[in-house]
Amino acid sequence: ETGVTQSPTHLIKTRGQQVTLRCSSQSGHNTVSWYQQALGQGPQFIFQYYREEENGRGNFPPRFSGLQFPNYSSELNVNALELDDSALYLCASSQSSGSYNEQFFGPGTRLTVL
Amino acid sequence: KNQVEQSPQSLIILEGKNCTLQCNYTVSPFSNLRWYKQDTGRGPVSLTIMTFSENTKSNGRYTATLDADTKQSSLHITASQLSDSASYICVVSDLNQAGTALIFGKGTTLSVSS
Repeated sequence: ETGVTQSPTHLIKTRGQQVTLRCSSQSGHNTVSWYQQALGQGPQFIFQYYREEENGRGNFPPRFSGLQFPNYSSELNVNALELDDSALYLCASSQSSGSYNEQFFGPGTRLTVL
Repeated sequence: KNQVEQSPQSLIILEGKNCTLQCNYTVSPFSNLRWYKQDTGRGPVSLTIMTFSENTKSNGRYTATLDADTKQSSLHITASQLSDSASYICVVSDLNQAGTALIFGKGTTLSVSS
């Protein structure tokens, strides 16, 4: 176990709805990164939050947004859900935003969009 | 275009045998290369992290090699166990992206049978 927790474990939504996923980082970590992993694919970087500020973003549309709170937990919000948003959403926390910092992954949230 | 390519896509070996997984990447410049193990439906777990100046890194029965000149890496698993059955993902840290953006390969699915 990495100490990174995510909720909920599973979620089913319909097209057009909005969803919020949550992540609690490991103790002592101030950086959270979010990834989308489609079935049979490797995870794809969505964005990273460092000390409550967005610190890098992958190739995802603006309807993917996030927040990081003072306790360094984080939320991923997805608006106007599309069928292709069905995936495992992973968050990872690290001690800092530096490129060598090891990222510790949570178990993920499985989102199904019908 | 996938910047991290892995081979083979899947592999079946007998318990106790050794195997080697391959990774080719085009990400440049890169900070470090990582190998992760991911059990089905779970978050990835780090096995090794190597900077561009390191040639080899071991973690128990797992040994990773890196040739930064040819942009190739391999993960060698010795004396495989049933619990080694998982997806093994090669990950490169992209220095061109703000934040610790990790570029994931699609993974090699390893099945160890008795």
